[in-house]
Amino acid sequence: AQSVTQLDSQVPVFEEAPVELRCNYSSSVSVYLFWYVQYPNQGLQLLLKYLSGSTLVKGINGFEAEFNKSQTSFHLRKPSVHISDTAEYFCAVSEDGGFKTIFGAGTRLFVKA
Amino acid sequence: KAGVTQTPRYLIKTRGQQVTLSCSPISGHRSVSWYQQTPGQGLQFLFEYFSETQRNKGNFPGRFSGRQFSNSRSEMNVSTLELGDSALYLCASSQAGLVDIQYFGAGTRLSVL
Repeated sequence: AQSVTQLDSQVPVFEEAPVELRCNYSSSVSVYLFWYVQYPNQGLQLLLKYLSGSTLVKGINGFEAEFNKSQTSFHLRKPSVHISDTAEYFCAVSEDGGFKTIFGAGTRLFVKA
Repeated sequence: KAGVTQTPRYLIKTRGQQVTLSCSPISGHRSVSWYQQTPGQGLQFLFEYFSETQRNKGNFPGRFSGRQFSNSRSEMNVSTLELGDSALYLCASSQAGLVDIQYFGAGTRLSVL
């Protein structure tokens, strides 16, 4: 069965510093990978997705993620964060041919001035 | 194009009652998925509908049910409410399925007293 593990529940970081939010998944078949962001009292918004092709995926708001099949990871990175990036970030996986998405527990990114 | 609309935004019920939540997907989207979000369990998949058919469901008791209408609007019903059903219920729509980008509504926050 597919599963998603987000290795950090909270990540505090200073403004303009780089950040990496870690995500590992397990699945026996081909997968599609996603990162979503959730701001307070709002639904989720897609940051980026990996379906196939280049393993480095660029998303909105300056975020990018790299798919590493051998390590079954899909870490999210941003070279310089802003206060406005403070939110909860979810990694998610859908199996090829499946009809459900499994989400990780979320990582709360807190950007400090 | 209007986004995913969930109604109502907030709901307060008492134990034993039943509740119906509504989700209007983005125009042209035929897939609707439902998720339950709680601080302890994170985001959990409830079920996914496509063209009025449930294609997959998560591990929730039979008290949780849903349906999709011919115009792709979807409803979710929870019968015999329990305190543990208090959560943010999120609906997401996509054009054809979960490998497509899912667009989330702002959610319905259900409180069971």
